[in-house]
Amino acid sequence: GAGVSQSPSNKVTEKGKDVELRCDPISGHTALYWYRQSLGQGLEFLIYFQGNSAPDKSGLPSDRFSAERTGGSVSTLTIQRTQQEDSAVYLCASSFTGRLGEQYFGPGTRLTVT
Amino acid sequence: KNEVEQSPQNLTAQEGEFITINCSYSVGISALHWLQQHPGGGIVSLFMLSSGKKKHGRLIATINIQEKHSSLHITASHPRDSAVYICAVDSGSDKLIFGTGTRLQVFP
Repeated sequence: GAGVSQSPSNKVTEKGKDVELRCDPISGHTALYWYRQSLGQGLEFLIYFQGNSAPDKSGLPSDRFSAERTGGSVSTLTIQRTQQEDSAVYLCASSFTGRLGEQYFGPGTRLTVT
Repeated sequence: KNEVEQSPQNLTAQEGEFITINCSYSVGISALHWLQQHPGGGIVSLFMLSSGKKKHGRLIATINIQEKHSSLHITASHPRDSAVYICAVDSGSDKLIFGTGTRLQVFP
């Protein structure tokens, strides 16, 4: 069956521009996660949605980052006024049973800010 | 000190060897995840456990809640097991805390 999909797979943008990253979770999965992996670094948790709500937004690196999820399905991560330090692979994962469920990861979006 | 520590950071092995990767954490947890990240970047969830032991094929994961320690074992290792193995803990605060990963290379 279809797994978690993310788009675009690669995005190159100029410093100062806004970008939107999209995640389509596996159908029926109630929980959705966003992570970031900078070059040579470990995974960093950004935000978790249960349904459409994100109980804790404190993992987002700055107020330039925002995320929303509509209809309990698709999620978008928006980065405003991108900076070079935002360059990373942004990964999305979903799980069926919520936070304690097994997570299925998407292929990621590689963002490069020039 | 990181809340989740993995050891070793890098590990090389000959095909067929038994491999152990360790994860220690300093926070209370509701669950612990083991993830595998292949050289191409794709991430696969291997195990999610909150107590005891789980086995899947040649992979075994154990956790000792009292000692705040988990191990991932690979029996009869194979070059295709070469990847980065990541431990992550769910501390119950809607966040996952990740270890820095263990890079495993298995040579034929």
